[in-house]
Amino acid sequence: GQQLNQSPQSMFIQEGEDVSMNCTSSSIFNTWLWYKQEPGEGPVLLIALYKAGELTSNGRLTAQFGITRKDSFLNISASIPSDVGIYFCAGRRNQGGKLIFGQGTELSVKP
Amino acid sequence: DAGITQSPRHKVTETGTPVTLRCHQTENHRYMYWYRQDPGHGLRLIHYSYGVKDTDKGEVSDGYSVSRSKTEDFLLTLESATSSQTSVYFCAISSRPGTSQETQYFGPGTRLLVL
Repeated sequence: GQQLNQSPQSMFIQEGEDVSMNCTSSSIFNTWLWYKQEPGEGPVLLIALYKAGELTSNGRLTAQFGITRKDSFLNISASIPSDVGIYFCAGRRNQGGKLIFGQGTELSVKP
Repeated sequence: DAGITQSPRHKVTETGTPVTLRCHQTENHRYMYWYRQDPGHGLRLIHYSYGVKDTDKGEVSDGYSVSRSKTEDFLLTLESATSSQTSVYFCAISSRPGTSQETQYFGPGTRLLVL
């Protein structure tokens, strides 16, 4: 089936550092979404992107919809301990269509 | 918090037994989804619904069936559970997917262990 490659798989960083992660696909998507999942809970939608080249922020989080429509990036600035969790990207090919999820990036932040 | 609940939250069952998981929402969202989450695979779509009695298969639908007789409930049934169906199951709801007005919420998950 369709695959999204998300990298890195895990990150161990110091509090205050910036974080970058990305998602790539062999197919074009019309929507890219980024989620955070904390232990024992369901994912929470952080940012949704609907246009190629779009750059959207949500507090310290910034995500970009790649120009080729085959990739997306998530940046977290000045990380804090509560940023710990697993971050997932997801892509959708058409409006109302199914979401394809990446494998996740596990983020650990050392105080 | 969004009004989406799952029941049961944990279940242990034996191979070959039927299992039904329930997702209930109070948001009146049109779209409902069932995903399973396994290490190394992220979330994979099992089935989804785009309205009452309207359902479609996802990428890992074999061995699962669903029903949606009213807007607020979406049931996932494992007709004869197998050990490969041991997983964490998440329900999700959304409105206006693919538009800038999109809203989306996941339930808290159901941990299923098939022995």
